[in-house]
Amino acid sequence: SQQGEEDPQALSIQEGENATMNCSYKTSINNLQWYRQNSGRGLVHLILIRSNEREKHSGRLRVTLDTSKKSSSLLITASRAADTASYFCATGTNAGGTSYGKLTFGQGTILTVHP
Amino acid sequence: DAGVIQSPRHEVTEMGQEVTLRCKPISGHDYLFWYRQTMMRGLELLIYFNNNVPIDDSGMPEDRFSAKMPNASFSTLKIQPSEPRDSAVYFCASSSTGTWVYGYTFGSGTRLTVV
Repeated sequence: SQQGEEDPQALSIQEGENATMNCSYKTSINNLQWYRQNSGRGLVHLILIRSNEREKHSGRLRVTLDTSKKSSSLLITASRAADTASYFCATGTNAGGTSYGKLTFGQGTILTVHP
Repeated sequence: DAGVIQSPRHEVTEMGQEVTLRCKPISGHDYLFWYRQTMMRGLELLIYFNNNVPIDDSGMPEDRFSAKMPNASFSTLKIQPSEPRDSAVYFCASSSTGTWVYGYTFGSGTRLTVV
């Protein structure tokens, strides 16, 4: 079963607007990551936030994490038509005492940005 | 680096035939993952390796599926015999213990169609 649940399933906006996608998860995590997938392509890593962090920025991306609510959000500011893609959250847990483990992906949000 | 390389990009086979998917991870990465993506089930982790050793194969659907990693630069996922319900996009991804904060690097995937 999927760990992360994205909301909304689909989002349609105009260029220049902000896009917000949410992710909820069920179990304790070590880190949460966001990925983008363009149609017919593999996933591309966007940003990682650790469980002891609350907010992180990378360019036009802003990620927040609320471990008490087991939720995260991805904000894309000033969206562009090129941002059209599916966005997935993925949760990671400790494995074997290391800080690295397998990732479990959510179902994704399909973002369409109209020019 | 050319990234994670998967072959073939597309595979159409008849039910009952053996299918072998191939993956070359990024040089120096010590983790390799096989995922399957379908509309119904999303991204499912099938198996992952650390330093060429299978760590978790609990996602392998049944005995028809097998995966090997004979060396650090090559892995295969084999389905024998194949069935129509195996039709999906299969992704290979790699990552490194030392740079896991940068997430996984995915290949472009193999689109498998079993008729």
